[in-house]
Amino acid sequence: DGGITQSPKYLFRKEGQNVTLSCEQNLNHDAMYWYRQDPGQGLRLIYYSQIVNDFQKGDIAEGYSVSREKKESFPLTVTSAQKNPTAFYLCASGGRGPQTQYFGPGTRLLVL
Amino acid sequence: AQSVTQLDSQVPVFEEAPVELRCNYSSSVSVYLFWYVQYPNQGLQLLLKYLSGSTLVKGINGFEAEFNKSQTSFHLRKPSVHISDTAEYFCAVSDLNEAQKLVFGQGTRLTINP
Repeated sequence: DGGITQSPKYLFRKEGQNVTLSCEQNLNHDAMYWYRQDPGQGLRLIYYSQIVNDFQKGDIAEGYSVSREKKESFPLTVTSAQKNPTAFYLCASGGRGPQTQYFGPGTRLLVL
Repeated sequence: AQSVTQLDSQVPVFEEAPVELRCNYSSSVSVYLFWYVQYPNQGLQLLLKYLSGSTLVKGINGFEAEFNKSQTSFHLRKPSVHISDTAEYFCAVSDLNEAQKLVFGQGTRLTINP
């Protein structure tokens, strides 16, 4: 089955802790994306990558970091600098240009 | 920068009634338009998209949308809704200069009452 997987489904973060959210795709897509979803605000772009070993900041990159060492994987780290990390995080992938983005099931991050 | 406005945050309708979810975007020379649906605690699924050609676009689950360039709108319609259509719907746009980036609206929560 082709698709996008995200893990874990729920993640708890303590104060001052960095946490990493996993995103893997087997759709052979070049581009991958991370979005943050808060109630009533739609989806906001955190980071995106169009090719391996390259990525760009989105609209709300502060307090987050990413890497793209493999085409299939695009992990997101929520650092301690992100003061309001509680949200639903969605990963997506797509082809180049105006292609459909395919979304994973999401990870809900909660702060203890 | 592109922006998208979904004019209604919540839309309640009765089962088998028609529905229209409204979406407007900021003006641009060329845009690509999408509607996605999100069921509770899940990711987003594509309903339909407009890239070029006919302005009336048909999607899955009986939904359709019409691209209106003069009004910068891309409203989503369904002639008869079902309980299973209860979900949140997002309009998204990208433009020619940054085709790989989607800008999303705030979402419209569609609730179908029996």
